[in-house]
Amino acid sequence: KNQVEQSPQSLIILEGKNCTLQCNYTVSPFSNLRWYKQDTGRGPVSLTIMTFSENTKSNGRYTATLDADTKQSSLHITASQLSDSASYICVVSAYSGAGSYQLTFGKGTKLSVIP
Amino acid sequence: DAGVIQSPRHEVTEMGQEVTLRCKPISGHNSLFWYRQTMMRGLELLIYFNNNVPIDDSGMPEDRFSAKMPNASFSTLKIQPSEPRDSAVYFCATWGRHLTDYGYTFGSGTRLTVV
Repeated sequence: KNQVEQSPQSLIILEGKNCTLQCNYTVSPFSNLRWYKQDTGRGPVSLTIMTFSENTKSNGRYTATLDADTKQSSLHITASQLSDSASYICVVSAYSGAGSYQLTFGKGTKLSVIP
Repeated sequence: DAGVIQSPRHEVTEMGQEVTLRCKPISGHNSLFWYRQTMMRGLELLIYFNNNVPIDDSGMPEDRFSAKMPNASFSTLKIQPSEPRDSAVYFCATWGRHLTDYGYTFGSGTRLTVV
């Protein structure tokens, strides 16, 4: 059964500090992995997408890494800002045949950045 | 570009009442998805349509749930009769190119509370 596990469940950090969120998955056959940011009361918004051959991808202060051998990904946030307070969801896509893809969602990490 | 538009944003209803959630997809996006999000289970796929045709409804919890997509610009998710355990945030998402990204675009969700 395809699964995506995220840790920690929640995290509180001081403004300006760095943090790293983890995502472990057992999804096959792997197609790609996305990190989404979900602000309170909003839908998820894509931050990064990584395919099998990509190890690192950055989007501003967000850097995602992918280790396809160990099936782990991380999202590193540098110099956190109050606006980074949100839930971060890891989503792994598996090819299910006939041009279709199946998404498996993690339950997210709730990040709170405090002044 | 308004993105995926959902209505209403909030809905409070009494147990046993019919609830209808609405979604207007991004023009040109041929795939539409209905998701439910709860704290306990995270995001769960309920049903998705491709070119207005339901492709996979295996995530629909039970016969009380039904979804329609009468045309490319409108979809509904109906719950009849509603129960307290249906309380959740329901998201509509579409697949395609939006602004600078290619992938899923989520609406802002409908927060449903059944009392």
